[in-house]
Amino acid sequence: GENVEQHPSTLSVQEGDSAVIKCTYSDSASNYFPWYKQELGKRPQLIIDIRSNVGEKKDQRIAVTLNKTAKHFSLHITETQPEDSAVYFCAASYTMDSNYQLIWGAGTKLIIKP
Amino acid sequence: EPEVTQTPSHQVTQMGQEVILRCVPISNHLYFYWYRQILGQKVEFLVSFYNNEISEKSEIFDDQFSVERPDGSNFTLKIRSTKLEDSAMYFCASSDMTAIYSNQPQHFGDGTRLSIL
Repeated sequence: GENVEQHPSTLSVQEGDSAVIKCTYSDSASNYFPWYKQELGKRPQLIIDIRSNVGEKKDQRIAVTLNKTAKHFSLHITETQPEDSAVYFCAASYTMDSNYQLIWGAGTKLIIKP
Repeated sequence: EPEVTQTPSHQVTQMGQEVILRCVPISNHLYFYWYRQILGQKVEFLVSFYNNEISEKSEIFDDQFSVERPDGSNFTLKIRSTKLEDSAMYFCASSDMTAIYSNQPQHFGDGTRLSIL
């Protein structure tokens, strides 16, 4: 089955700097890669996703890149702000028949230092 | 914006008792999911549900667990004979039509914090 590894487990960056979180996956059949942001005690919220037919996707300060050959994908946050502090999870879809389950990374705690 | 709603927000139960966690998915969504997150750990897939039957389930989802869509709006997770290790946040999610090459985003509820004493 699919396995998703996520690094680093904790990332501390100065406000205004960029943050990069990396994930690798094992199943080459995976074709959907969402990123979720989870603030303390709250629901995971989808912030960006990418499908396997695209190499990069951008939404304002957030971008995701996908390297299918290497089976890794990354989240890039530029001009970080205090409200970016949260735990970020990557996930990969493990597709079976007409449905899919998300296999999640272990999460990265992002700390934005003022 | 439509949301997935879950009740209760917090459930405290004695070990060995049965609990039912409730979810109301987004109204036009067809696929429903339950996930579990033990405190400080990753989110783990439990089960997916489509067309009134289970589509997939993980190793965690054993005979202790069951899901049901009792009416047109609710989606429930029942945990029988609860154990201490069942203490976790349980998230319900739903998504629109999915196909093998057209996965749709899953939208999560706020979760139910289950505490087993």
